[in-house]
Amino acid sequence: GAVVSQHPSRVICKSGTSVKIECRSLDFQATTMFWYRQFPKQSLMLMATSNEGSKATYEQGVEKDKFLINHASLTLSTLTVTSAHPEDSSFYICSAWGSSYNSPLHFGNGTRLTVT
Amino acid sequence: QKEVEQDPGPLSVPEGAIVSLNCTYSNSAFQYFMWYRQYSRKGPELLMYTYSSGNKEDGRFTAQVDKSSKYISLFIRDSQPSDSATYLCAMIPFLYGGSQGNLIFGKGTKLSVKP
Repeated sequence: GAVVSQHPSRVICKSGTSVKIECRSLDFQATTMFWYRQFPKQSLMLMATSNEGSKATYEQGVEKDKFLINHASLTLSTLTVTSAHPEDSSFYICSAWGSSYNSPLHFGNGTRLTVT
Repeated sequence: QKEVEQDPGPLSVPEGAIVSLNCTYSNSAFQYFMWYRQYSRKGPELLMYTYSSGNKEDGRFTAQVDKSSKYISLFIRDSQPSDSATYLCAMIPFLYGGSQGNLIFGKGTKLSVKP
């Protein structure tokens, strides 16, 4: 079964509003989670690394004030797209390493964001 | 040269065919190799996970790693229409249990298995 849960799976919002996406690790603690964005027919693009209890680390070119990340607990990271615009429409996916030291990376099922 | 190269396809095969998906890489430090399957509008699903060189088999899927050639493969036997998806290879030098590091992904190969 899924080890990483992401919610919502789909959201439509109006331009200028903010949207929050949740990523939860199930049955294990994740000190680090990753947020990706994927445009149609493109591969995953890492946006930021979310660290529990500290500030996220953003990849070059990703606006930290636009994509707010909060990792307040060991099982939950949130990505808030602030003042969304149509160009922010994309597929957002979170991931987390598994519970044991050499576990591979598991992904959530993604959130399809459409900004009208 | 990109760190990980993967032919995006699309690759179309008849049902029952053996499928071979491949990635090449340039960083000799990579030690952990993963294959993910991604259906349309879904997050990637881990299929296979191998460490260093060698083969690993799981049902109809076989993953191969040839570190000397910097080449990894995923074979799918008796392919089914339900295997139609995009397959992403991914690799990383070390696994830190989440404390640091992230995977380097290939661009993905879109596979279509025709009934």
